[in-house]
Amino acid sequence: AQSVSQHNHHVILSEAASLELGCNYSYGGTVNLFWYVQYPGQHLQLLLKYFSGDPLVKGIKGFEAEFIKSKFSFNLRKPSVQWSDTAEYFCAVNQGSSNTGKLIFGQGTTLQVKP
Amino acid sequence: GAGVSQSPSNKVTEKGKDVELRCDPISGHTALYWYRQSLGQGLEFLIYFQGNSAPDKSGLPSDRFSAERTGGSVSTLTIQRTQQEDSAVYLCASRIRGNQDTEAFFGQGTRLTVV
Repeated sequence: AQSVSQHNHHVILSEAASLELGCNYSYGGTVNLFWYVQYPGQHLQLLLKYFSGDPLVKGIKGFEAEFIKSKFSFNLRKPSVQWSDTAEYFCAVNQGSSNTGKLIFGQGTTLQVKP
Repeated sequence: GAGVSQSPSNKVTEKGKDVELRCDPISGHTALYWYRQSLGQGLEFLIYFQGNSAPDKSGLPSDRFSAERTGGSVSTLTIQRTQQEDSAVYLCASRIRGNQDTEAFFGQGTRLTVV
């Protein structure tokens, strides 16, 4: 079965530190990839997505992610985090051949940024 | 409405009672999804609607769970004879269509506590 693995469950950083959150998936076919963020008390919001084309995608708030097909990975990065980036981050995948668009999520990574 | 709306936002129920959770998707969105977010389990897919039909119910955990959608709009998730393990946040999402290359928008969820 298709699965998504996020390696870091809880990350604590100081402001201005660089961030990389790992995401690996287990599906050999065409995939669409997403990172969602959930700020405290808010709903899930899309940070960025990859469907095709340039494997380096840029999202909102200075986030970017790189799709490496050979490694089945879609890691999220930000060069310099801010206190306001404190949130839970979810990687998600759907099969490119799917006609349902359902998402398979990783377990999430809680990011705490210390001021 | 401007976004996906779910009600109630919080529900506490006694074990064995039935509950109904409501989702109002974004107007014009034909695809609707229910997910469940449990502590330590991440986000799990429950069911997918395209219009009023549910072509993918594969994530419903038991026959105590059912869902319907009427008028291609509002959806209700019903849990019968609730159990403590049903305690979770139930999230609804909608997309303009079910194809994989569109963004899913999430509601704020219903936090269900079974006591």
